[in-house]
Amino acid sequence: EVQLLESGGGLVQPGGSPRLSCAASGFTFSNYPMSWVRQAPGKGMEWVSTISGSGTNTYYADSVKGRFTISRDNSKNTLFLQMSSLRAEDTAVYYCAKGNDYYVMDVWGQGTTVTVS
Amino acid sequence: DIQMTQSPSTLSASVGDRVTITCRASQSSSRWLAWYQQKPGKAPKLLIYKASSLQSGVPSRFSGSGSGTEFTLTISSLQPDDFATYYCQQYNSYMYTFGQGTKLEIK
Repeated sequence: EVQLLESGGGLVQPGGSPRLSCAASGFTFSNYPMSWVRQAPGKGMEWVSTISGSGTNTYYADSVKGRFTISRDNSKNTLFLQMSSLRAEDTAVYYCAKGNDYYVMDVWGQGTTVTVS
Repeated sequence: DIQMTQSPSTLSASVGDRVTITCRASQSSSRWLAWYQQKPGKAPKLLIYKASSLQSGVPSRFSGSGSGTEFTLTISSLQPDDFATYYCQQYNSYMYTFGQGTKLEIK
């Protein structure tokens, strides 16, 4: 069974730099792009970042570019999101998601909550 | 950036109804359009990809259509489990944009 398990969320002060992790299992991790998507309280979904299967290519939403860094460790089947210079508007549930061959997010984790206050 | 606009924002319907949700793109998204269902406190679930391809395991009462700038999600006969929020998402060169969501409520 394909599973994604996020961790690393919590209460963070403005300007803080937490790192989120997403442990993957049940598929060949290095074969697929992975993404982070967030959802602020009571709001819709916002794409944050995507990384290619090899880790060579990374992509960011304008709202986080220069502050967040996505990376992956294919030897440990783990995705990361290094966050920095956090603001109140970064408060959200952060989901990791697996990409499929058609570039859509076909499997999602349960999410980890980051609260900036 | 491509903007996605869903309509309606809220939809009230009854079990057994046929419902349609529309998603319009600010510029052509070809057929790189997906639909997700989200229930409160849960992660989104992929329903449709490439505008009209049904994700494995998703009931056939869900269908998608469209291309270019206008796309639709249709549920042919609403079931109690279908009351949720639905999001469209476009993909363009590893940049993704979601619609604002459509909340499907029980009438």
